[in-house]
Amino acid sequence: QSVVTQPPSASGTPGQRVTISCSGSSSNIGRNTVNWFQQLPGTAPKILIYSNNQRPSGVPDRFSGSKSGTSASLAISGLQSEDEADYYCAAWDGSLNGWVFGGGTKLTVL
Amino acid sequence: QVQLQQSGPGLVKPSQTLSLTCAISGDSVSSNSAAWNWIRQSPSRGLEWLGRTYYRSKWYNNYAVSVKSRVTINPDTSKNQFSLQLNSVTPEDTAVYYCARSSTGDLMDWGQGTLVTVSS
Repeated sequence: QSVVTQPPSASGTPGQRVTISCSGSSSNIGRNTVNWFQQLPGTAPKILIYSNNQRPSGVPDRFSGSKSGTSASLAISGLQSEDEADYYCAAWDGSLNGWVFGGGTKLTVL
Repeated sequence: QVQLQQSGPGLVKPSQTLSLTCAISGDSVSSNSAAWNWIRQSPSRGLEWLGRTYYRSKWYNNYAVSVKSRVTINPDTSKNQFSLQLNSVTPEDTAVYYCARSSTGDLMDWGQGTLVTVSS
């Protein structure tokens, strides 16, 4: 049972907008910044969003992040087939004194 | 551009010690603004943070409660790298292990991952 909760799956058709939610608590998301990662099969997680809503250089602006209270969301607009991957949220937990991760959301592009 | 290059054996026998190293380029293990983490991923446990080391005028470590009695993370300033040792491994420790750099509260850079299988 993950400390941070994500839906196990999400799907959309090309061009559609999809959102993935991430629910935590006051000791993690409520107090610290949220990271979002994209993981393609057989590769390491790659940071997609940092500091709740910032994109590293090279990440398309189709990806956006937001946070409110103890929850966060990742939105992907203009969905493309190459967006099919696993997505994880993470935050530092001040009570556990460590990083906590969501269980991951498998995104399928129909 | 920070790059992390992992090395270490992919097969460890039960009850022995798992040892991995992460070589850093583009930053210093002694940086006052970064921390150096180990994370593992398995189908049963998902992504699990194991611990970190960092330097803020002196060296500090934090470890996950789940592995605290068995884990050690050490910096090596002479080689600009850091290492993971996990003692008394069981098949439950079979996972892909990643090193990662965190800075200003974000896990920015990851190593390529090492699949470690615990089996006799």
